[in-house]
Amino acid sequence: KQEVTQIPAALSVPEGENLVLNCSFTDSAIYNLQWFRQDPGKGLTSLLLIQSSQREQTSGRLNASLDKSSGRSTLYIAASQPGDSATYLCAGPRWGKLIFGQGTELSVKP
Amino acid sequence: NAGVTQTPKFQVLKTGQSMTLQCAQDMNHNSMYWYRQDPGMGLRLIYYSASEGTTDKGEVPNGYNVSRLNKREFSLRLESAAPSQTSVYFCASSAGTTGRLYFGPGTRLTVT
Repeated sequence: KQEVTQIPAALSVPEGENLVLNCSFTDSAIYNLQWFRQDPGKGLTSLLLIQSSQREQTSGRLNASLDKSSGRSTLYIAASQPGDSATYLCAGPRWGKLIFGQGTELSVKP
Repeated sequence: NAGVTQTPKFQVLKTGQSMTLQCAQDMNHNSMYWYRQDPGMGLRLIYYSASEGTTDKGEVPNGYNVSRLNKREFSLRLESAAPSQTSVYFCASSAGTTGRLYFGPGTRLTVT
Protein backbone atom coordinates (compact mmCIF):
# COMPACT_ATOMS: atom_id res chain seq x y z
CA LYS A 1 0.00 0.00 0.00
CA GLN A 2 1.39 3.36 -1.02
CA GLU A 3 1.58 5.98 1.71
CA VAL A 4 3.03 9.43 1.19
CA THR A 5 4.38 11.56 4.04
CA GLN A 6 5.62 15.14 3.98
CA ILE A 7 7.85 16.76 6.56
CA PRO A 8 7.74 19.44 7.86
CA ALA A 9 4.06 20.30 7.94
CA ALA A 10 4.91 24.01 7.97
CA LEU A 11 8.02 26.05 7.26
CA SER A 12 8.76 29.76 7.59
CA VAL A 13 11.90 31.25 6.04
CA PRO A 14 13.23 34.72 5.24
CA GLU A 15 13.28 35.84 1.64
CA GLY A 16 16.34 34.73 -0.32
CA GLU A 17 16.93 31.47 1.50
CA ASN A 18 17.38 28.18 -0.33
CA LEU A 19 15.11 25.50 1.10
CA VAL A 20 14.27 21.82 0.81
CA LEU A 21 10.88 20.18 1.19
CA ASN A 22 10.76 16.46 1.87
CA CYS A 23 8.44 13.70 0.69
CA SER A 24 8.70 10.02 1.59
CA PHE A 25 6.77 7.09 0.15
CA THR A 26 6.45 3.47 1.13
CA ASP A 27 6.18 1.70 -2.22
CA SER A 28 9.62 1.47 -3.85
CA ALA A 29 7.97 0.27 -7.06
CA ILE A 30 6.83 3.82 -7.66
CA TYR A 31 7.05 4.77 -11.32
CA ASN A 32 6.71 8.53 -11.01
CA LEU A 33 6.27 11.27 -8.43
CA GLN A 34 4.63 14.65 -8.85
CA TRP A 35 4.98 17.93 -6.97
CA PHE A 36 2.14 20.45 -6.80
CA ARG A 37 1.59 23.91 -5.44
CA GLN A 38 -1.70 25.07 -3.88
CA ASP A 39 -2.48 28.68 -3.07
CA PRO A 40 -5.15 29.37 -0.42
CA GLY A 41 -8.66 28.81 -1.79
CA LYS A 42 -7.33 27.62 -5.14
CA GLY A 43 -6.81 24.41 -7.04
CA LEU A 44 -3.52 22.56 -7.36
CA THR A 45 -0.93 23.53 -9.95
CA SER A 46 1.44 20.87 -11.26
CA LEU A 47 5.08 21.88 -10.76
CA LEU A 48 7.19 18.89 -11.68
CA LEU A 49 6.78 15.24 -12.61
CA ILE A 50 9.71 12.87 -12.18
CA GLN A 51 9.59 9.53 -13.93
CA SER A 52 11.15 6.53 -12.17
CA SER A 53 13.89 6.42 -14.81
CA GLN A 54 14.93 9.98 -13.92
CA ARG A 55 16.75 11.19 -10.82
CA GLU A 56 15.70 14.82 -11.00
CA GLN A 57 13.72 17.46 -12.85
CA THR A 58 14.26 21.20 -12.96
CA SER A 59 11.95 24.10 -13.70
CA GLY A 60 13.33 27.58 -13.09
CA ARG A 61 14.26 27.90 -9.41
CA LEU A 62 12.71 24.51 -8.60
CA ASN A 63 14.55 21.22 -8.62
CA ALA A 64 12.96 17.92 -7.63
CA SER A 65 14.85 14.69 -7.04
CA LEU A 66 13.68 11.11 -6.69
CA ASP A 67 15.49 8.32 -4.85
CA LYS A 68 13.46 5.14 -5.18
CA SER A 69 15.80 3.04 -3.07
CA SER A 70 15.35 5.24 -0.03
CA GLY A 71 11.72 6.07 -0.76
CA ARG A 72 12.33 9.82 -0.82
CA SER A 73 11.80 12.83 -3.02
CA THR A 74 12.93 16.38 -2.31
CA LEU A 75 11.84 19.70 -3.76
CA TYR A 76 14.59 22.31 -3.69
CA ILE A 77 13.59 25.98 -4.03
CA ALA A 78 16.43 28.36 -4.73
CA ALA A 79 16.45 32.01 -3.67
CA SER A 80 12.97 31.90 -2.17
CA GLN A 81 10.57 34.81 -2.73
CA PRO A 82 7.37 35.89 -0.92
CA GLY A 83 5.45 34.75 -4.01
CA ASP A 84 6.59 31.20 -3.28
CA SER A 85 4.37 31.17 -0.18
CA ALA A 86 1.88 28.35 -0.66
CA THR A 87 1.27 24.72 0.28
CA TYR A 88 3.41 22.22 -1.58
CA LEU A 89 2.14 18.67 -2.06
CA CYS A 90 3.79 15.56 -3.41
CA ALA A 91 1.89 12.63 -4.85
CA GLY A 92 2.83 9.11 -5.85
CA PRO A 93 0.87 6.51 -7.73
CA ARG A 94 -0.87 3.47 -6.32
CA TRP A 95 -2.50 1.19 -8.85
CA GLY A 96 -2.53 4.02 -11.35
CA LYS A 97 -4.10 6.55 -8.97
CA LEU A 98 -2.25 9.37 -7.28
CA ILE A 99 -2.00 9.32 -3.48
CA PHE A 100 -1.19 12.69 -1.93
CA GLY A 101 0.86 13.69 1.06
CA GLN A 102 -0.60 16.16 3.57
CA GLY A 103 1.53 18.98 2.23
CA THR A 104 4.08 21.47 3.57
CA GLU A 105 2.80 25.01 4.16
CA LEU A 106 5.58 27.39 3.18
CA SER A 107 5.74 31.01 4.25
CA VAL A 108 8.50 33.23 2.84
CA LYS A 109 8.85 36.47 4.80
CA PRO A 110 10.01 39.67 3.06
CA ASN B 1 -7.31 26.99 -23.55
CA ALA B 2 -9.47 26.70 -20.42
CA GLY B 3 -7.88 23.49 -19.03
CA VAL B 4 -10.16 21.90 -16.42
CA THR B 5 -13.36 23.72 -15.54
CA GLN B 6 -15.79 22.97 -12.73
CA THR B 7 -19.29 24.17 -11.94
CA PRO B 8 -20.58 25.41 -9.61
CA LYS B 9 -17.87 27.20 -7.59
CA PHE B 10 -19.93 27.25 -4.40
CA GLN B 11 -23.01 25.33 -3.26
CA VAL B 12 -25.01 25.01 -0.06
CA LEU B 13 -27.30 21.99 0.31
CA LYS B 14 -29.62 20.78 3.00
CA THR B 15 -29.23 17.23 4.29
CA GLY B 16 -30.96 14.82 1.92
CA GLN B 17 -30.84 17.04 -1.16
CA SER B 18 -29.12 15.88 -4.31
CA MET B 19 -26.85 17.64 -6.75
CA THR B 20 -24.40 17.04 -9.57
CA LEU B 21 -20.96 18.60 -9.83
CA GLN B 22 -19.85 19.14 -13.40
CA CYS B 23 -16.31 18.90 -14.76
CA ALA B 24 -14.96 19.37 -18.27
CA GLN B 25 -11.48 19.39 -19.78
CA ASP B 26 -10.34 20.60 -23.18
CA MET B 27 -6.90 18.95 -23.26
CA ASN B 28 -8.06 15.71 -24.93
CA HIS B 29 -7.08 13.78 -21.80
CA ASN B 30 -8.08 10.15 -21.40
CA SER B 31 -8.16 10.02 -17.60
CA MET B 32 -10.29 12.07 -15.22
CA TYR B 33 -10.59 12.10 -11.43
CA TRP B 34 -12.67 13.43 -8.56
CA TYR B 35 -10.95 14.29 -5.27
CA ARG B 36 -12.20 15.81 -2.05
CA GLN B 37 -10.01 17.91 0.23
CA ASP B 38 -10.66 18.20 3.95
CA PRO B 39 -8.57 19.83 6.70
CA GLY B 40 -6.33 17.26 8.33
CA MET B 41 -7.30 14.56 5.80
CA GLY B 42 -5.60 15.91 2.71
CA LEU B 43 -6.74 15.04 -0.79
CA ARG B 44 -8.61 11.77 -1.18
CA LEU B 45 -9.69 10.12 -4.39
CA ILE B 46 -13.43 9.54 -4.73
CA TYR B 47 -13.75 8.06 -8.22
CA TYR B 48 -11.73 8.05 -11.38
CA SER B 49 -12.15 7.23 -15.05
CA ALA B 50 -9.03 5.83 -16.69
CA SER B 51 -10.58 6.22 -20.14
CA GLU B 52 -13.88 7.06 -21.76
CA GLY B 53 -16.45 4.41 -20.90
CA THR B 54 -14.81 3.23 -17.67
CA THR B 55 -15.13 4.34 -14.05
CA ASP B 56 -13.64 2.94 -10.86
CA LYS B 57 -13.88 3.59 -7.14
CA GLY B 58 -11.19 5.44 -5.26
CA GLU B 59 -10.55 5.64 -1.53
CA VAL B 60 -13.85 7.22 -0.45
CA PRO B 61 -16.64 6.38 -2.96
CA ASN B 62 -19.55 5.87 -0.54
CA GLY B 63 -22.38 8.34 -1.07
CA TYR B 64 -21.23 9.33 -4.57
CA ASN B 65 -21.84 8.29 -8.15
CA VAL B 66 -20.06 9.36 -11.31
CA SER B 67 -20.72 9.49 -15.02
CA ARG B 68 -18.13 9.80 -17.77
CA LEU B 69 -20.45 11.48 -20.22
CA ASN B 70 -17.87 11.63 -23.02
CA LYS B 71 -14.12 12.15 -23.28
CA ARG B 72 -14.39 15.77 -22.10
CA GLU B 73 -16.88 15.53 -19.25
CA PHE B 74 -16.93 13.70 -15.92
CA SER B 75 -19.69 14.43 -13.41
CA LEU B 76 -20.01 13.62 -9.71
CA ARG B 77 -23.45 13.12 -8.15
CA LEU B 78 -24.48 13.25 -4.52
CA GLU B 79 -27.82 11.44 -4.30
CA SER B 80 -28.63 12.30 -0.69
CA ALA B 81 -26.24 14.84 0.75
CA ALA B 82 -24.95 14.44 4.31
CA PRO B 83 -23.04 16.93 6.51
CA SER B 84 -19.98 14.61 6.25
CA GLN B 85 -19.85 15.50 2.56
CA THR B 86 -19.07 19.13 3.34
CA SER B 87 -15.76 19.58 1.57
CA VAL B 88 -13.93 21.12 -1.34
CA TYR B 89 -14.23 18.97 -4.44
CA PHE B 90 -11.60 18.97 -7.15
CA CYS B 91 -11.77 17.49 -10.61
CA ALA B 92 -8.52 16.61 -12.38
CA SER B 93 -7.40 15.11 -15.65
CA SER B 94 -4.31 13.55 -17.16
CA ALA B 95 -3.29 12.18 -20.54
CA GLY B 96 -2.96 8.71 -19.01
CA THR B 97 -3.02 7.26 -15.52
CA THR B 98 0.72 7.87 -15.13
CA GLY B 99 0.73 11.36 -16.61
CA ARG B 100 0.92 14.83 -15.19
CA LEU B 101 -2.27 15.77 -13.33
CA TYR B 102 -4.13 19.02 -14.04
CA PHE B 103 -6.68 20.30 -11.55
CA GLY B 104 -9.78 22.43 -11.80
CA PRO B 105 -10.42 25.37 -9.45
CA GLY B 106 -12.66 23.38 -7.10
CA THR B 107 -16.24 23.43 -5.80
CA ARG B 108 -16.79 24.42 -2.19
CA LEU B 109 -19.79 22.44 -0.91
CA THR B 110 -21.51 22.93 2.43
CA VAL B 111 -24.21 20.53 3.62
CA THR B 112 -26.29 21.79 6.55
